[in-house]
Amino acid sequence: QKEVEQNSGPLSVPEGAIASLNCTYSDRGSQSFFWYRQYSGKSPELIMSIYSNGDKEDGRFTAQLNKASQYVSLLIRDSQPSDSATYLCAVNRNTGGFKTIFGAGTRLFVKA
Amino acid sequence: GAGVSQSPSNKVTEKGKDVELRCDPISGHTALYWYRQSLGQGLEFLIYFQGNSAPDKSGLPSDRFSAERTGGSVSTLTIQRTQQEDSAVYLCASSFSSATDTQYFGPGTRLTVL
Repeated sequence: QKEVEQNSGPLSVPEGAIASLNCTYSDRGSQSFFWYRQYSGKSPELIMSIYSNGDKEDGRFTAQLNKASQYVSLLIRDSQPSDSATYLCAVNRNTGGFKTIFGAGTRLFVKA
Repeated sequence: GAGVSQSPSNKVTEKGKDVELRCDPISGHTALYWYRQSLGQGLEFLIYFQGNSAPDKSGLPSDRFSAERTGGSVSTLTIQRTQQEDSAVYLCASSFSSATDTQYFGPGTRLTVL
């Protein structure tokens, strides 16, 4: 079992729809959770960070964290073609030494 | 201000040669990370430097890989006796302080081992 698991996709949604991206992690000692966006051939850039259970909203993006279920998600409202990218879930843990674990990413395609 | 910079942007080498990859973090950032990303894959954690503490090397895949950070700023990742499976994009990131802070990524070095 991978430490951080994501559906590889591609996830295809029409323009204006809600895109829902999911991520599960295995280490209960995980403390910090991040969503990064990576365009093809580019470096990752941070979209959202979340540290406590519940929802965190920033513009069209909402991150949701449920530590009991070891689950973190990202919702993108009013999806735009420019949102088409790979979304990487990242988890920081500090058990047995600090490490950031990235999921393999979910490819999102927003159709105009 | 300037972001994270990496050099070279591309490196082609022959199997068995040593390579050095450089990372200049954002000024004032105390934390520095190295990752590698193979084609179509996620990021693989390699090593983490935090201030003057001993680095966390738990992600280095073999003893052919080493990294140092001089003066708490510039970092060099060295791969000795390169193998074809080392071919990947090597990404460096820095953050202001702790592991809870946002990581800012450099443009990466694309390494190709022939």
